[in-house]
Formats: sequence, structure tokens, C-alpha cells
Amino acid sequence: EAQVTQNPRYLITVTGKKLTVTCSQNMNHEYMSWYRQDPGLGLRQIYYSMNVEVTDKGDVPEGYKVSRKEKRNFPLILESPSPNQTSLYFCASSLLTNEKLFFGSGTQLSVL
Amino acid sequence: GESVGLHLPTLSVQEGDNSIINCAYSNSASDYFIWYKQESGKGPQFIIDIRSNMDKRQGQRVTVLLNKTVKHLSLQIAATQPGDSAVYFCAENLYTGGFKTIFGAGTRLFVKA
Repeated sequence: EAQVTQNPRYLITVTGKKLTVTCSQNMNHEYMSWYRQDPGLGLRQIYYSMNVEVTDKGDVPEGYKVSRKEKRNFPLILESPSPNQTSLYFCASSLLTNEKLFFGSGTQLSVL
Repeated sequence: GESVGLHLPTLSVQEGDNSIINCAYSNSASDYFIWYKQESGKGPQFIIDIRSNMDKRQGQRVTVLLNKTVKHLSLQIAATQPGDSAVYFCAENLYTGGFKTIFGAGTRLFVKA
């Protein structure tokens, strides 16, 4: 089944403890992106990648890192999480840039 | 500025009626527009899209209209069903050195049986 898989689905952590949210797609998509969703603010782009080893900042990149070492995986790294990073995170991919996105099921992160 | 907004945060319709969800965008350079549906506890799901060289596109029970003159996008759902209850997002893509997708805040659609 064609899908975008995120893990974990739920995560509770404490301030400053490094964490990684994984994202994998099995559709051979070139473009991948991370978003955070907060009440009343919609979806905001954190980072995106147009292909392997090509990543760029979105609208809210502060406090996040990403890597794209292989086409299928695009992990989101929080080196030192803070409470303002408590949010619902979505990974998405598309075959090429400027096409419809396929989203994962989301990761609900709480930073205490 | 760059923004995609929605005229109504919530919309309540009777089952079987048609629904219209509206969206205003401000960037005239945007060339691709998409509607997504998000059900509770799930990620957004693609519904329908339209490129800037078109003004109307139809899918199964859904139609998207694009009015570039007034920078307006709408989603029409025919014969709305309970399963259509969800939050609907409009999104626009524009090129700013890399392709950027800007999402609206969303409209919650309630379908009354």
C-alpha cells in the first residue's frame, strides 16, 4: 500500500532531551516536507527536501533539523526540544515539487 | 502578504444539500491550488486540485472554482454526506526559490442528518 509512515504516533518528552521523528514513504517520491499544525494556525512548513541531500528551510525552521540521505526517509530532529514545540507534526511527500501532497498520520508531540 | 484564508471557520449543512467552502488567497504568483480534507485523528487527504490556467475542475461530487481576478478559490461538494464532515484546507503553491505550499487555517464542515 502506498503510504507515508511516521513514528512515533504519540511522544511525551522533557525539555532538552533530543528526539527524532521518523518519516518514510514507499512511493519513490522526490519531494518530502515536514509541517506542524497548531490550533488556529493551520499547517506551517518546517523544512522540505526536493531530492536526496537537498533540504531547505520552510516558514518555521528554528529548533529543528532534517536530513535526506536516502530518497524514502526524511527524519525530523529536535536537538533540544522546548515546550513551544509541543504540536501535531505531519510528514508529507509528493512525486515531484508542485504536486499534491500525501500526508502521514501525524505525530503528537508534548514537551514538558 | 502571502496568506491563504477562509471566509468561514465553520459550516453546517443538512445531509443531501450542497456545500460551498470558500478561500481567499493573496499571492498572484501562485500557480497551483489544492483542497485537502482532514478527518479527526488523521492526516490531510487530497481532494482536488487546479492549476492557474484553469478556472474550474470537477471530480466525483466535488468541484473547485478558481477566480484569479479576485484571488478566490472555492470547493463545492454536491449532495453532502455525513462522511464529508471534516476540516477542509485550501492550499496554494508558489515558487520562491523553491516551491512553497501555504495552507489556510481550515473550515470545519458539519453535516446534519
